[in-house]
Amino acid sequence: DVQMTQSPSYLAASPGESVFISCKASKSISNYLAWYQQKPGEANKLLIYSGSTLQSGTPSRFSGSGSGTDFTLTIRNLEPEDFAVYYCQQYYEKHMYTFGAGTKLELK
Amino acid sequence: EVQLQESGPGLVKPSQSLSLTCSVTGYSITSSYRWNWIRKFPGNKLEWMGYINSAGSTNYNPSLKSRISITRDTSKNQFFLQVNSVTTEDTATYYCARSGSPRAFDYWGQGVMVTVSS
Repeated sequence: DVQMTQSPSYLAASPGESVFISCKASKSISNYLAWYQQKPGEANKLLIYSGSTLQSGTPSRFSGSGSGTDFTLTIRNLEPEDFAVYYCQQYYEKHMYTFGAGTKLELK
Repeated sequence: EVQLQESGPGLVKPSQSLSLTCSVTGYSITSSYRWNWIRKFPGNKLEWMGYINSAGSTNYNPSLKSRISITRDTSKNQFFLQVNSVTTEDTATYYCARSGSPRAFDYWGQGVMVTVSS
């Protein structure tokens, strides 16, 4: 299985700041990577797929980059609604999907 | 709009079976896509469990393959998860989700918490 290592596990920031979340795959996954946002009481939201393509409805302050084994989710000019838990997920393997451990983004 | 909603018992005894339902509205599960079950353990780790596709074929996480089954009722536009011989390690929040091409999960239910305890 492809293992996904996500960091940091916890991040504190203020509105208006920019944050960066890293996800590293145990082997090359090309650009078969997605990012999700999870908030209590809400359905998980797909933010980005194919490493850098914004899902319809994702604000432009979110961006994804990387390919191969190293990926980054960037959130610029944080808004209050962005404080949540974020996960990466690989779908390179045709019938086996794995997630990163999650990054909790909290208000500083 | 596509919506998924999980339902099922919140408490299951060890060694018993866990059965959950995902009700889908806004899209027919026989039209296309894969219909997945994913769980989140206490501590936030997410695990993909398996899917049933629009044709009715299934694929399971190898670590769970011997204990789980995903089926569907096309007349009700629902699909189901059964996990056999549960232990306390199956305590988690269970989600159903849709995936397609790309194979990211584009719609999720809100999740149902299941506790395995005597």
